Amino acid sequence: GDSVTQMEGPVTLSEEAFLTINCTYTATGYPSLFWYVQYPGEGLQLLLKATKADDKGSNKGFEATYRKETTSFHLEKGSVQVSDSAVYFCALSGDTGNQFYFGTGTSLTVIP
Amino acid sequence: NAGVTQTPKFRILKIGQSMTLQCTQDMNHNYMYWYRQDPGMGLKLIYYSVGAGITDKGEVPNGYNVSRSTTEDFPLRLELAAPSQTSVYFCASSLTGLNTEAFFGQGTRLTVV
Repeated sequence: GDSVTQMEGPVTLSEEAFLTINCTYTATGYPSLFWYVQYPGEGLQLLLKATKADDKGSNKGFEATYRKETTSFHLEKGSVQVSDSAVYFCALSGDTGNQFYFGTGTSLTVIP
Repeated sequence: NAGVTQTPKFRILKIGQSMTLQCTQDMNHNYMYWYRQDPGMGLKLIYYSVGAGITDKGEVPNGYNVSRSTTEDFPLRLELAAPSQTSVYFCASSLTGLNTEAFFGQGTRLTVV
C-alpha cells in the first residue's frame, strides 16, 4: 500500500543553517505530495505541495521537488530561523484520494 | 474564516465512559477525515467520509464510530473508552481528496484514565 518514510528526528540547527529533511514515498499511480508543519499545541498547516512529477512546491523559503525517479520529496530551506522550530510531516494523497498518508514527523529546533 | 473547528480541545475520560468529539467545517468540502496522533507514530486514519451519508473505515477504526448527516459535520464517537485511546485527535477536510490539500482542526487531546 501507499506509505511515506521520512527522516528521523529530532533535528537541532543553529539559526541561518541549511535544512534538509528527507522524505521518500511508496505509491501506485501518481500521488500528490505535501509538507505540513505543526507548531506546539496546534493542528497541521499546509506548508507546500506538488501534484505531479518535477513540480517544485515552495513557501516561506521552504522548497521541495517531486522526484518520481527517486520517489522522493525532500524539504529544504537555505537559512532557518528560530521561528521555524516545529514538527514537519511529509504526506501523500494517492490516486483514490480517500486518505492522506503521513510520515512520522521530524521535530526541528532552531537555536539562536 | 473558521475552517475546521473541533470541540472540545481537552478532555479526560474514565475507562468505560463514552463521548463524542465534534467536528464542523464551513468550506463546503466533500471529504472529511478523523486521524489520531500518537507520539512518534505520525497520524493514523480512523474513519473518513466522501460526502453526506457515506463513511468508511480507515486504518484504526476499532473502538470508534462516525456519522455524516450533513456536509458540514463529522462527529467521532467513542463508546467505551479505553486507555489505548489516549491520543490527540484531528479532524480534517478536503475539497475532493485528489490533488487538493487537507485542512486540519486544532485537535482534541483526550486522556483516558
